[in-house]
Amino acid sequence: DIHMTQYPSSLSAAIGDRVTITCQASQDTGNSINWYQQKPGKAPEVLISDATKSQIGVPSRFWGGGSGTHFTLTISSLQSEDIATYYCQQFDTYPFTFGQGTKVEIK
Amino acid sequence: QVQLVESGGDLVRPGGSLRLSCVASGFTFTDFYITWIRQAPGKGLEWLSDISRTTTTTHYEDSVKGRFSISRDNAKKSVYLQMNSLRVEDTAVYYCARGGGITRGYFDAWGQGTLVTVSS
Repeated sequence: DIHMTQYPSSLSAAIGDRVTITCQASQDTGNSINWYQQKPGKAPEVLISDATKSQIGVPSRFWGGGSGTHFTLTISSLQSEDIATYYCQQFDTYPFTFGQGTKVEIK
Repeated sequence: QVQLVESGGDLVRPGGSLRLSCVASGFTFTDFYITWIRQAPGKGLEWLSDISRTTTTTHYEDSVKGRFSISRDNAKKSVYLQMNSLRVEDTAVYYCARGGGITRGYFDAWGQGTLVTVSS
């Protein structure tokens, strides 16, 4: 199985800060990585598919990068509504797997 | 609008069985894989299983292979997850999601989730 190592597991940043979350795959996954945002008590929502493609309606401050085994989700200017847990997910090889999540809080 | 609604979650004893349902609306059901994903209390997301558009292909996560079975009824726009030999560690909120498969492996619509509690 492909193991997704996501870090940091949590972070605290100020409004307006640039935030970067990293996901490392245990083997090459090409561009087959998605990113999700989950707010407390809610189902996750997809932000980025295929490593870099923003979903319709997702604010432009969210963007994805990387390929192969190293991927990043960047929030260019953190807003209060971005408080959530973020997950990466690979779909290169079954079984699909998620990273363990990054909890983002406001400093 | 696109909607997925899960049902069937309950309290069940270890070794018991449960069948979850997911009913879809608002999109062409046969155009999409459907996937089950779960989240144990306070934990992260765990991909479990998916089923292809025509029901011919299914995949499972290793810990549920042989115990869980996914199926779909395209006429009823429904997907099911039959869960047997349940364990305490299967306790989680179970989500169904639209999407799956190697070519479109992202989940762009989720249900609200249904809670399965396995306890004696």
